Amino acid sequence: QQQVKQSPQSLIVQKGGISIINCAYENTAFDYFPWYQQFPGKGPALLIAIRPDVSEKKEGRFTISFNKSAKQFSLHIMDSQPGDSATYFCAASKETSGSRLTFGEGTQLTVNP
Amino acid sequence: NAGVTQTPKFQVLKTGQSMTLQCAQDMNHNSMYWYRQDPGMGLRLIYYSASEGTTDKGEVPNGYNVSRLNKREFSLRLESAAPSQTSVYFCASWTGGLAGKDEQYFGPGTRLTVT
Repeated sequence: QQQVKQSPQSLIVQKGGISIINCAYENTAFDYFPWYQQFPGKGPALLIAIRPDVSEKKEGRFTISFNKSAKQFSLHIMDSQPGDSATYFCAASKETSGSRLTFGEGTQLTVNP
Repeated sequence: NAGVTQTPKFQVLKTGQSMTLQCAQDMNHNSMYWYRQDPGMGLRLIYYSASEGTTDKGEVPNGYNVSRLNKREFSLRLESAAPSQTSVYFCASWTGGLAGKDEQYFGPGTRLTVT
């Protein structure tokens, strides 16, 4: 039973375009939502995270949008670059922290030059 | 400061063989985790250790055992490997929210194939 569902499974974007990855969750007890980025042959690394008291968080070209009523959150990558090509995982935790994470299935992003 | 290290990087086992995956962190974190990563299934928690001396089951613990040897080291043991355990295994440790950092740091992974 996947508690956090992520889409799309793969995404191809042209350089300079906007990449959008979506996640939906069922458990209303989730209260911390990070995104992790993974390059081939490496472990995942935290990219950006949000708590449900805000609807949007921006760090550079990366933005999380959060819709509590719809139980959905998304990652937007503006001005996508070939160096952004990686696998992205959304996650959720019900412990107000990143201590116990439930991950989505992952999205493989390819940014063409 | 090496972060989270894992050994070995690659391993091939025959069905029924046993092995231990090693993990160590040098960041003085209390909590450590073992995940497996399979295509299309994301990262699934096998076991975790909230602090030295404690371990708890995660989402997919069957077929695995763990040992929190000390604060630095957390090992994962496969007693009798099965082809279904072919996967990439990641160890992680959690910053604990100290100094405003709330992040799990991951090791480079162990690619395990069971034939």
